[in-house]
Amino acid sequence: GAVVSQHPSWVICKSGTSVKIECRSLDFQATTMFWYRQFPKQSLMLMATSNEGSKATYEQGVEKDKFLINHASLTLSTLTVTSAHPEDSSFYICSARGLAGVGEQYFGPGTRLTVT
Amino acid sequence: ELKVEQNPLFLSMQEGKNYTIYCNYSTTSDRLYWYRQDPGKSLESLFVLLSNGAVKQEGRLMASLDTKARLSTLHITAAVHDLSATYFCALGGGADGLTFGKGTHLIIQP
Repeated sequence: GAVVSQHPSWVICKSGTSVKIECRSLDFQATTMFWYRQFPKQSLMLMATSNEGSKATYEQGVEKDKFLINHASLTLSTLTVTSAHPEDSSFYICSARGLAGVGEQYFGPGTRLTVT
Repeated sequence: ELKVEQNPLFLSMQEGKNYTIYCNYSTTSDRLYWYRQDPGKSLESLFVLLSNGAVKQEGRLMASLDTKARLSTLHITAAVHDLSATYFCALGGGADGLTFGKGTHLIIQP
């Protein structure tokens, strides 16, 4: 149980275009999902917290107009990188927090974004 | 602001040896996590530590938590090549996202 999927697993896009990444909790409901970014050989950094039916909360330094987050249902959150630039190239990982238990976060497999 | 420091950041060791990775943090937190990450992959959950004195073991890995010292350790016993990976500790949870340490890149050589 507690499986989180991400789609796509990798994407290449041209500078100036937008790309959408989906995060789904497959076998549980998640009121809260988190988006992390990981640059090569670095750690994960929390970008934003996404709560179902409400606006996302962004960490300091993360542009909310550039990284649009929508959490329309208890099993789906989307991250749209708008007007992507090469410096946005990164590994984006989502996690979903279950409703029960110790509230552990379950991580998706990640999406590698390359902006050319 | 919660700060998480891991050391060492890089560790090369021989198979069969023992070693410990340290994770210090600046403020109290609900829970401490250890994760493993293989190259190009996402995170694999290893341990969740919830209370002072907690100790968990899985195979050759053992994690412990000392909340008074704000310190967690990940001990590797008789290392094998398959344990080569990057290991992260992280704190937070509940309604909050996680704050990660910088990670320990572990290479285990025959």
